Parts: sequence; structure tokens; C-alpha cells
Amino acid sequence: GAGVSQTPSNKVTEKGKYVELRCDPISGHTALYWYRQSLGQGPEFLIYFQGTGAADDSGLPNDRFFAVRPEGSVSTLKIQRTERGDSAVYLCASSDQPGGADTQYFGPGTRLTVL
Amino acid sequence: AQSVTQLGSHVSVSEGALVLLRCNYSSSVPPYLFWYVQYPNQGLQLLLKYTSAATLVKGINGFEAEFKKSETSFHLTKPSAHMSDAAEYFCAVSSPAGGNQFYFGTGTSLTVIP
Repeated sequence: GAGVSQTPSNKVTEKGKYVELRCDPISGHTALYWYRQSLGQGPEFLIYFQGTGAADDSGLPNDRFFAVRPEGSVSTLKIQRTERGDSAVYLCASSDQPGGADTQYFGPGTRLTVL
Repeated sequence: AQSVTQLGSHVSVSEGALVLLRCNYSSSVPPYLFWYVQYPNQGLQLLLKYTSAATLVKGINGFEAEFKKSETSFHLTKPSAHMSDAAEYFCAVSSPAGGNQFYFGTGTSLTVIP
């Protein structure tokens, strides 16, 4: 079956611009996660959705970052007034067993480059 | 607070040799522990996980890991390395006490020498 997909695979933007990154989770998975992976680092938690609601957004670095999941499936991560420090690979994962022991299925990521 | 430390950002082994990737965790409660693998241009894939059942966990592709509470470790091993094992490996921890935050280590890049 289809895995988690993310679009675009690469995004180059200029400092100060607005970007949207999309995640299509595995069909039927109720839990969805966003992570950010900087060069040489492991994934860093940003936000977790259970259904349509953001159950935990404590990882969002500041108010320029926002994510939505209006119908409990596709999610969009939105970054306003991008900065060069936002350059990273943004990963999305989904799970059908929300909780600390769940297996998360990751997408290939969106590589964001802010010039 | 929870965290994991992966000792050795780069590990090289000969084909057929033992693979040992180290992970130590810090957690105020008994944790859940995971190993993920990331092949080039692919998403992270779960190798195995410890969720408080058997301390020796067997995963895919011949990998296994042993949870050692006394050493706060969850090292990943494979008896005989294959060329196809070359990838980035991440250890991660989460808490059974609630919440859904996963904390990943910085990763270990495994090179297999023919």
C-alpha cells in the first residue's frame, strides 16, 4: 500500500517568504507527526496531531510555524517570514496507534532551503 | 526529561563482521526505545522497538538490540554485516507516562567495507 508522501520534495525560497509543506499520511492513520532534521542531527519533534486537533505543539520553535490538519488526513506545515535557520529537512510521520509505543511511518521528507 | 546519546557518529565495519551501534538513554521513567534506519533518499524505517516486554528485541534484516536498565543502554547489533546495511541509524526514546514526543539521537552512519 501507499506510504507517507510529502510534497514538494525540495523547496527553495528566499528569506522572508512564506512556505507550505504538505504531508499525506497512510490512509486510516489517526496520528500525524512533524519533525525537523537539520544537517548532522536527528529528527526534532515539532507537532503531533490526533485526528484534526494538535494534541502537542510544544516543539514548534516560534509563532512563525503553524500546522493544520482540517479533515484529519492531509496536513500542512506553514512557515511565515522564513529565515535561513529554517533550512532543514522536514519530516512527516503517521501512526495508527497513538501513544508512546507506536510505530511511526515516515515520509521521505521535504528539503527546505532558505536563501 | 528524556534523551538518547549515540556514541560514534561514523562506524565502519568489514562485510561479514559484527555490527555494534551504541545508544544510551536518559529517562526518569522506564522508557520505550526504538531503532530506525534511514537509507539515502528514503524515509526513516523502524528496525525494532522495546516496549517493556522481552529485553532482547529482534528486528528486521537480522538486527537485534538488548535493553539493559543497569547500563541505561539499548545497543544495536547484527552478527554479520552486509553491504546493504550501509545507512544512517537513529536511536529514539519515548515515554510510557504519556505524551507523544519522540526524542532522537544524532545518528550513526554505518559504512560497510567490502
